[in-house]
Amino acid sequence: KNQVEQSPQSLIILEGKNCTLQCNYTVSPFSNLRWYKQDTGRGPVSLTIMTFSENTKSNGRYTATLDADTKQSSLHITASQLSDSASYICVVSLNDYKLSFGAGTTVTVRA
Amino acid sequence: ETGVTQTPRHLVMGMTNKKSLKCEQHLGHNAMYWYKQSAKKPLELMFVYSLEERVENNSVPSRFSPECPNSSHLFLHLHTLQPEDSALYLCASSQEDSQNYGYTFGSGTRLTVV
Repeated sequence: KNQVEQSPQSLIILEGKNCTLQCNYTVSPFSNLRWYKQDTGRGPVSLTIMTFSENTKSNGRYTATLDADTKQSSLHITASQLSDSASYICVVSLNDYKLSFGAGTTVTVRA
Repeated sequence: ETGVTQTPRHLVMGMTNKKSLKCEQHLGHNAMYWYKQSAKKPLELMFVYSLEERVENNSVPSRFSPECPNSSHLFLHLHTLQPEDSALYLCASSQEDSQNYGYTFGSGTRLTVV
């Protein structure tokens, strides 16, 4: 069983609307939790990195939250744009080499 | 460009062919990685090189052979692959021992085995 579960698997939203992606993990303890954005045919690009002691981290219209007690993280996208259409991947890092990846949530933004 | 360059971007090869994937990073990082990404599945770590030494080999079949001649270059040599090896192969680099280190990924090589 994967140690990082993401939901939903995919979602479709209208341009300008907000959405929230979920990440539940069982990796413990961990060094940091990251959210990546992966455009089709490209490699993942880092959006946010949070240590276990941080609760929230923002990067423009992207806001990540972390609840280490419940082992949950979320990524909130505000005022979505067509360019937000991508796969969003949650990654929990145990140490330098031990990274556990979620399968990703595919977001499609429609005009 | 992210600072990590992968070539080729696309590759189609037969099961009896031998080919190589190349990765180059211009970020001064001291660790490099090969990942396999199959559709709808999490990224799978294949190999890790730290300071040009292989430190992780994640039970990868011997038909995949990595090579790291220096800290800026990483290769993945392929031979007698199977159709199930078709996937996106991603290279990444990082700076170890950095408090808030992050991975920088290349754009990947889309491999199709026929």
